Amino acid sequence: SQELEQSPQSLIVQEGKNLTINCTSSKTLYGLYWYKQKYGEGLIFLMMLQKGGEEKSHEKITAKLDEKKQQSSLHITASQPSHAGIYLCGADLRETSGSRLTFGEGTQLTVNP
Amino acid sequence: NAGVTQTPKFRVLKTGQSMTLLCAQDMNHEYMYWYRQDPGMGLRLIHYSVGEGTTAKGEVPDGYNVSRLKKQNFLLGLESAAPSQTSVYFCASRRHKSYEQYFGPGTRLTVT
Repeated sequence: SQELEQSPQSLIVQEGKNLTINCTSSKTLYGLYWYKQKYGEGLIFLMMLQKGGEEKSHEKITAKLDEKKQQSSLHITASQPSHAGIYLCGADLRETSGSRLTFGEGTQLTVNP
Repeated sequence: NAGVTQTPKFRVLKTGQSMTLLCAQDMNHEYMYWYRQDPGMGLRLIHYSVGEGTTAKGEVPDGYNVSRLKKQNFLLGLESAAPSQTSVYFCASRRHKSYEQYFGPGTRLTVT
């Protein structure tokens, strides 16, 4: 979606390294959802952010929503092979009925042991 | 609870053939969605439903039809399959007052 851009598109890191994935919106984010997808499987919900400046953590994954609510970052500390997969951000842009989410194209993460 | 299930998991169709993909959820969710996922395009919404008996178009509805006759089921139909419909199809559902969507495992469809 051009409304929601993720960067980088792909990332290869060595096990133990930290990394950051960004999700940038051209519109105000009323809710930002991070999902992880393993190859050939469905999406697994990671966390949701709604308030500007909000930060949430789950194990070694931390997500933040900036104050202006137009960008979110996902940070993984001390990456492990189990972190490998595709990370997608989904946004509530509050534009249409049905409360749809607009998704970014995803970031493919490879963690080499 | 099985969550969200999709059948079939894989399917190969010839151009012009028709088929129906079934999505079922046992969480009593009001909202259900059908997406397609293509390389470099991310997830795109095909159709969605806000309740039993109601459906609406998403971003890429052409060539697809849907029905939600029962609250737990959301069917996606392809009347005349085209190679451009080769994709991985995901179904998702959510509760009325929550934006968290629960996804099925996907259906990989190839149209030759």
